[in-house]
Amino acid sequence: SAVISQKPSRDICQRGTSLTIQCQVDSQVTMMFWYRQQPGQSLTLIATANQGSEATYESGFVIDKFPISRPNLTFSTLTVSNMSPEDSSIYLCSVEGPLRWETQYFGPGTRLLVL
Amino acid sequence: TQLLEQSPQFLSIQEGENLTVYCNSSSVFSSLQWYRQEPGEGPVLLVTVVTGGEVKKLKRLTFQFGDARKDSSLHITAAQPGDTGLYLCAGHNYGQNFVFGPGTRLSVLP
Repeated sequence: SAVISQKPSRDICQRGTSLTIQCQVDSQVTMMFWYRQQPGQSLTLIATANQGSEATYESGFVIDKFPISRPNLTFSTLTVSNMSPEDSSIYLCSVEGPLRWETQYFGPGTRLLVL
Repeated sequence: TQLLEQSPQFLSIQEGENLTVYCNSSSVFSSLQWYRQEPGEGPVLLVTVVTGGEVKKLKRLTFQFGDARKDSSLHITAAQPGDTGLYLCAGHNYGQNFVFGPGTRLSVLP
């Protein structure tokens, strides 16, 4: 299985500011995913990040609010821009299993609280 | 739109009891995964099932994929406090995004 780390693990931010979350994988992967998990809820896919191309955003999520970078096959960042309290969530990155495309592995998550 | 439903939504049991969690859809999936998420952590993969009718066992956990590949169940025998967490099922078809269920929040009391 892939080992995934995220930074920061948690943060408290002020309304109107931006936060960039980093995701590092210990192996090269084609597809990386960013999810949001609001308190007590399941996972909602924000976007899929492929190396060398623009991220693909799901309905309800836009690049201006959640810009994503994918500079290489082991790293990605998600920025939460112009934050409001409604952005308070856990943000998770994940990758498809290197050996099995039908499996995902998740990072530990970034817990964001916006005041 | 493919949707997954899970039941029950919440479950609180005593240590040593058995339980079953269900994951249902009207859509067919080529594979289905079960994850457990503990407080403050990301989801951890428990199992992937890919064949209709498949049964997989992982110690005290038994997973079954329905014959029609639309539903799955997770049975835990002799639950322990360490089994406490959010159990998520996720369906997948090749070339498509994963679809996650709403989760079952399990609490096992000592």
